[in-house]
Amino acid sequence: AQKVTQAQTEISVVEKEDVTLDCVYETRDTTYYLFWYKQPPSGELVFLIRRNSFDEQNEISGRYSWNFQKSTSSFNFTITASQVVDSAVYFCALSDMEYGNKLVFGAGTILRVKS
Amino acid sequence: NAGVTQTPKFRVLKTGQSMTLLCAQDMNHEYMYWYRQDPGMGLRLIHYSVGEGTTAKGEVPDGYNVSRLKKQNFLLGLESAAPSQTSVYFCASSYGSAIKAFFGQGTRLTVV
Repeated sequence: AQKVTQAQTEISVVEKEDVTLDCVYETRDTTYYLFWYKQPPSGELVFLIRRNSFDEQNEISGRYSWNFQKSTSSFNFTITASQVVDSAVYFCALSDMEYGNKLVFGAGTILRVKS
Repeated sequence: NAGVTQTPKFRVLKTGQSMTLLCAQDMNHEYMYWYRQDPGMGLRLIHYSVGEGTTAKGEVPDGYNVSRLKKQNFLLGLESAAPSQTSVYFCASSYGSAIKAFFGQGTRLTVV
């Protein structure tokens, strides 16, 4: 079965620091998709990004950037110049062909940004 | 601008009671899902549906049933609640598989 590992349970940083959230995945599929979701204290999950397995280009969106490395099965997420509003739980997820490409989530990383 | 709406938002059940969680989406999505979120385990897929009248088991289906009688609604049922089903339940929907899913705000269920 597919598996997503987010080894960092909780990270604390001071505002304006850069922070990287790690995501390592396991899959037998040759075609798959990777996702990041944010869960702020209010509880809802907010979609951040989707990448397919054929596109290893890094992506930048404002203060957010993602580094996809197929060779190491990693899809890491970096927040530059963190802000208090970035405090949330961040989930990495992988599509699972066994369940019709539904999402398999990692355990999540709690990010606390202190002012 | 409703998106995905879950009712109720909170519920306390006694062991053995039954209940139904309702998920409604107004985006005409074909795919709908039920997940449960437990501390340290992320979200796990309970059941999903790829269209009206169809349902399928996910990773942790035991103790739950679902129905998708109307395209916009996806119901999750607990026939005989157990303390192990204490969790936060999320419904989600999407246009297709492996694409952006929209999530509801969650239902916090406690079984005592």
